[in-house]
Amino acid sequence: DAKTTQPNSMESNEEEPVHLPCNHSTISGTDYIHWYRQLPSQGPEYVIHGLTSNVNNRMASLAIAEDRKSSTLILHRATLRDAAVYYCILRRSGAGSYQLTFGKGTKLSVIP
Amino acid sequence: GAGVSQSPSNKVTEKGKDVELRCDPISGHTALYWYRQSLGQGLEFLIYFQGNSAPDKSGLPSDRFSAERTGGSVSTLTIQRTQQEDSAVYLCASSLQGGLQETQYFGPGTRLLVL
Repeated sequence: DAKTTQPNSMESNEEEPVHLPCNHSTISGTDYIHWYRQLPSQGPEYVIHGLTSNVNNRMASLAIAEDRKSSTLILHRATLRDAAVYYCILRRSGAGSYQLTFGKGTKLSVIP
Repeated sequence: GAGVSQSPSNKVTEKGKDVELRCDPISGHTALYWYRQSLGQGLEFLIYFQGNSAPDKSGLPSDRFSAERTGGSVSTLTIQRTQQEDSAVYLCASSLQGGLQETQYFGPGTRLLVL
């Protein structure tokens, strides 16, 4: 499986934008980039996903580098509720495509 | 609508006892997944169901672990002769059909403590 690398932790001030990076230099052409987050004492929740183009939804934006070897999850205005562990996950078609392979993720702290 | 629910939310058991963990997926979701989250191992995949069939059991850590799904809905994860290393949060998720782009919706988990 293609591997992702994320910083262990990041801090942000409340109401500031947050850019969470993810490196995936061994990504293949058909790998989708998914982001999930896990709030304290809860199950993971979906944030966003994309293939090649940048994506926006009500929760966040996903910026994908032109060579697809890295991506950035953007929270436009961090709130205290956004404090969570953020996971960048590659999903590849074929055997095992249904499972999510979680790394260690980035623990985001939001400072009031 | 209702999300994925799991029961019990917490379970404390003695080493050597059997436990059953239940998952109720979102109605209409044919794909169901079990994951485990422990302090030392992070979040790891256990098993995947498509309908009532489990085409991939590769993540089950030992033959003490088994799972079934009935009526294409409720699933039960059973751990026999529990060991202390089984202590973890067991998470269930479901998705519409198991497709690559589909969102997996997670339940709140069952926190299992084996004494």
